[in-house]
Amino acid sequence: GAVVSQHPSWVICKSGTSVKIECRSLDFQATTMFWYRQFPKQSLMLMATSNEGSKATYEQGVEKDKFLINHASLTLSTLTVTSAHPEDSSFYICSAIFLARLAGNNEQFFGPGTRLTVL
Amino acid sequence: DAKTTQPNSMESNEEEPVHLPCNHSTISGTDYIHWYRQLPSQGPEYVIHGLTSNVNNRMASLAIAEDRKSSTLILHRATLRDAAVYYCILPNYGGSQGNLIFGKGTKLSVKP
Repeated sequence: GAVVSQHPSWVICKSGTSVKIECRSLDFQATTMFWYRQFPKQSLMLMATSNEGSKATYEQGVEKDKFLINHASLTLSTLTVTSAHPEDSSFYICSAIFLARLAGNNEQFFGPGTRLTVL
Repeated sequence: DAKTTQPNSMESNEEEPVHLPCNHSTISGTDYIHWYRQLPSQGPEYVIHGLTSNVNNRMASLAIAEDRKSSTLILHRATLRDAAVYYCILPNYGGSQGNLIFGKGTKLSVKP
């Protein structure tokens, strides 16, 4: 099956610093990648949709200047948490869809997640 | 977007079948039914999806009601590794680029 990787798998940083998380589709090309956030004991919440070569589309309530998304190639999307604070501590997960016409029968492939802890 | 309703939790014994229900009474004619699962501290994993007919794959079976207002994910022989949160989702493809809206899902516990 298709593989999506994330790096790093976990990161601890000081308040006020920026953290970059990479999401890669290893064996397929993905025009669309998604970024989710998951707080403890809660479900995944979609943050933004990332399209290769264009600006990301953010969900309501997600600050686009704080969560910078770049999708520079068909296999790589990055999420940068700028000026991180303790409330940004969460499990960040990306997913990708095959380079294909989007349809209701396309499954998404998820990365293993990145656990961010802001001290 | 069409919403789904699932029980919060279910229990099963190892090596017994498990039937995980999902109600989606507002489903439209073009909505596919997707199932994903999330093991602890991992990203979600695709399980199965279908439109109208029942579907089988190496992981599970999906039984879809004739009126499509409900479906059931069937794990034929539960193993300890199947303990996870299972999400029934109708992908929001209608102009929203295919994002998945996750509900609370069903937390499946498997007892040895």
